[in-house]
Amino acid sequence: QVQLVQSGAEVKKPGASVKVSCKASGYTFTNYGINWVRQAPGQGLEWMGWINPYNGNRNYAQNLQGRVTMTTDTSTRIAYMELRSLRSDDTAVYYCAKQWLSGYYFDYWGQGTLVTVSS
Amino acid sequence: QSALTQPASVSGSPGQSITISCTGTSSDVGVYNYVSWFQQHPGKAPKLMIYDVSNRPSGVSNRFSGSKSGNTASLTISGLQAEDEADYYCSSYTSSSIWVFGGGTKLTVL
Repeated sequence: QVQLVQSGAEVKKPGASVKVSCKASGYTFTNYGINWVRQAPGQGLEWMGWINPYNGNRNYAQNLQGRVTMTTDTSTRIAYMELRSLRSDDTAVYYCAKQWLSGYYFDYWGQGTLVTVSS
Repeated sequence: QSALTQPASVSGSPGQSITISCTGTSSDVGVYNYVSWFQQHPGKAPKLMIYDVSNRPSGVSNRFSGSKSGNTASLTISGLQAEDEADYYCSSYTSSSIWVFGGGTKLTVL
């Protein structure tokens, strides 16, 4: 069965970086994009960006340009999302979600990773 | 790109039907049939309920249906059940090649 298993919770200080992983199984990794979506406490969902594991193409939300990098390792079937220069308003649950490359919807989601930014 | 507009809350009694609206623009909902709806229970990851405006993934109850008219998409849940109580989010692909979400709607089953 399809699974996206994310890395554990992180606590970071302002200005630091965090790298969240998302290990995929149960499907052909290079046939599906990986999107990253975050949710601040008590708030709605925010799309962060997308990466195509087949060719490395990616697209980031404008408000995160310059601070976020998404990568994939096809040998281990793991997607990564790195966010730099962390601020307190980056505190959120971060989700990965897979998307068929010929489709426009997120059909399976990881369990989420809580990132807390606090001094 | 602004978020899609959803009502903050809706409510209904068991067995009734409710509809949640999702209003976008001619750059997202109005131009693409790529609207999705997600259900999220507290502390859980979102779950896909509807994709491409009106399609249900395998395993999703046929009590859930979606539609679209102009810049507004809608999710209808018929025969409300207690387990339907959750937050619901719409999303759409946009002409900027990004995705945008609605602010979310809290459904209360009375």
